[in-house]
Amino acid sequence: QKEVEQNSGPLSVPEGAIASLNCTYSDRGSQSFFWYRQYSGKSPELIMFIYSNGDKEDGRFTAQLNKASQYVSLLIRDSQPSDSATYLCAVNTGRRALTFGSGTRLQVQP
Amino acid sequence: GAGVSQSPRYKVAKRGQDVALRCDPISGHVSLFWYQQALGQGPEFLTYFQNEAQLDKSGLPSDRFFAERPEGSVSTLKIQRTQQEDSAVYLCASSLEVLGGAYEQYFGPGTRLTVT
Repeated sequence: QKEVEQNSGPLSVPEGAIASLNCTYSDRGSQSFFWYRQYSGKSPELIMFIYSNGDKEDGRFTAQLNKASQYVSLLIRDSQPSDSATYLCAVNTGRRALTFGSGTRLQVQP
Repeated sequence: GAGVSQSPRYKVAKRGQDVALRCDPISGHVSLFWYQQALGQGPEFLTYFQNEAQLDKSGLPSDRFFAERPEGSVSTLKIQRTQQEDSAVYLCASSLEVLGGAYEQYFGPGTRLTVT
């Protein structure tokens, strides 16, 4: 079992819809959780981080964390074609290095 | 201020050659990380520095890989006797160490290494 699991997609949503991206992790000691966006041929760009159970909102993005169930999700409201990218979930287990999932490819259809 | 910078952006090496990849972190960031990203995969951790101290090198795949950060700012990742399986994008990230913070990491543009 991989330490951080994501559905590879592609997840296809129409423009203006809500995109929901999910991630599960195996290490119960994980402390903080990150969502990165990566456009093709570019490096990962930090969107949000969360380390407390519950929701954290930033503009059109909401991160949700449930430590009991060991999952973290990212909701993108009012999805735009420019949101089309690969979304990487990353977990900090307390050793500073991040453990990444393989990413979910999101396609927003105009 | 400026973000993380890396050079070169692209490097083609013949199998067996040595290469050196440079990373210049965000000013004031004490932590620096190297990751390797294969096509279609997430980045994989290689090594971590706090200032000039290399605190974790558990991700380095072989003794052909060596990293240094002698003055606690710029870092160099060196790969000796490159092999085809070393072809990947090498990403550098830096982080501000804020006690109790999330230690979020910011990535540079990466160096795409192709070994022929």
